[in-house]
Amino acid sequence: EAQVTQNPRYLITVTGKKLTVTCSQNMNHEYMSWYRQDPGLGLRQIYYSMNVEVTDKGDVPEGYKVSRKEKRNFPLILESPSPNQTSLYFCASSLSSGGYTEAFFGQGTRLTVV
Amino acid sequence: AQTVTQSQPEMSVQEAETVTLSCTYDTSESDYYLFWYKQPPSRQMILVIRQEAYKQQNATENRFSVNFQKAAKSFSLKISDSQLGDAAMYFCAYRSADGNQFYFGTGTSLTVIP
Repeated sequence: EAQVTQNPRYLITVTGKKLTVTCSQNMNHEYMSWYRQDPGLGLRQIYYSMNVEVTDKGDVPEGYKVSRKEKRNFPLILESPSPNQTSLYFCASSLSSGGYTEAFFGQGTRLTVV
Repeated sequence: AQTVTQSQPEMSVQEAETVTLSCTYDTSESDYYLFWYKQPPSRQMILVIRQEAYKQQNATENRFSVNFQKAAKSFSLKISDSQLGDAAMYFCAYRSADGNQFYFGTGTSLTVIP
């Protein structure tokens, strides 16, 4: 089944403790991206990747890191999480960065930083 | 950065009736792509419909259609014959011409009344 898989689905952590949210797609998509969803703000793009080893900042990259060493994986790294990074996170992928191509989303990761 | 505005935080519709969700956006680009995504309580982001800016013809997908007014930078979603399963949060989204950047509105929560 074609899908984007995020892990974990839920995570509670403490301020400053490094964490990684994994994202994997099995559709051989070139383009992947990360978003955070906050009430009243919609989804905001954190980082995106056009292909392996090619990444760039979205609208809200501060406090986050990404890497794209393999085509299928695009992990989101929080080196020193803070409470203002408590949010719902989504990973998405599409066949290419061509604007009309459909973006497929993962199931979301609910992160709470205390 | 482009902005996407959804001015209706909440809407309701009687089952079998028609409802229109509003979306406006701001951009200086002439070529871009517009999307409506549905997010039910499961949190899954589901593509409803998409529109290429260079196409004047409004997109239609079964009971869902859009009214795309490029000059007015407006992209409304019409849901006909509303069903209980249409109840969800709806997000309007703008994708840049190169496909790399996604901008989402703040969402409209749709309630369907039996």
